[in-house]
Amino acid sequence: AQKITQTQPGMFVQEKEAVTLDCTYDTSDQSYGLFWYKQPSSGEMIFLIYQGSYDEQNATEGRYSLNFQKARKSANLVISASQLGDSAMYFCAMREGPKGGSYIPTFGRGTSLIVHP
Amino acid sequence: KAGVTQTPRYLIKTRGQQVTLSCSPISGHRSVSWYQQTPGQGLQFLFEYFSETQRNKGNFPGRFSGRQFSNSRSEMNVSTLELGDSALYLCASSPGLGATNEKLFFGSGTQLSVL
Repeated sequence: AQKITQTQPGMFVQEKEAVTLDCTYDTSDQSYGLFWYKQPSSGEMIFLIYQGSYDEQNATEGRYSLNFQKARKSANLVISASQLGDSAMYFCAMREGPKGGSYIPTFGRGTSLIVHP
Repeated sequence: KAGVTQTPRYLIKTRGQQVTLSCSPISGHRSVSWYQQTPGQGLQFLFEYFSETQRNKGNFPGRFSGRQFSNSRSEMNVSTLELGDSALYLCASSPGLGATNEKLFFGSGTQLSVL
């Protein structure tokens, strides 16, 4: 079973509008961390935002916010006021408790976001 | 602070050859992990090193190997290349032992093409 599911292979948004990228996860651990990374065409994955399983408030980082719904096991990324430079692949990832002594993250398949002028 | 550096940026090899990729982590980071990224399989974990010890290994054949040096720099090696090894290989570093809240810092990757 997929641990991280991103159901939107591609998304289009108009510049200056908000967009939500979906992510659902599957874990039986109580303590885990959820991350979003951005990968522009240059290839480098860039950390955007983090949400801990015990955090009661939704995480925010500038124009990025994470809509965390623990009971539904979803961690959607919201980008407000989209910019042309937001066009990239976006990956949702999860770190569960240690397995074999390490905390290997699991990544979703990604969502390609294109921002139109 | 300099970011994660991967060399070379691009590599073209033929089937049967071997290849070595290099990764220099952020200064002070002791953990280095490697990922293979392909359009079909997405991001797949290869291995993780901490203080020169392999801490975990993904589900890849023995042709894929790696090591970490005392300065935390890491190399991965793929022997007897196959066409299916064509991929973007990403290296990531993190400060330490790993935890559920530890984010990864990625390099720009090495794009390997096997002909």
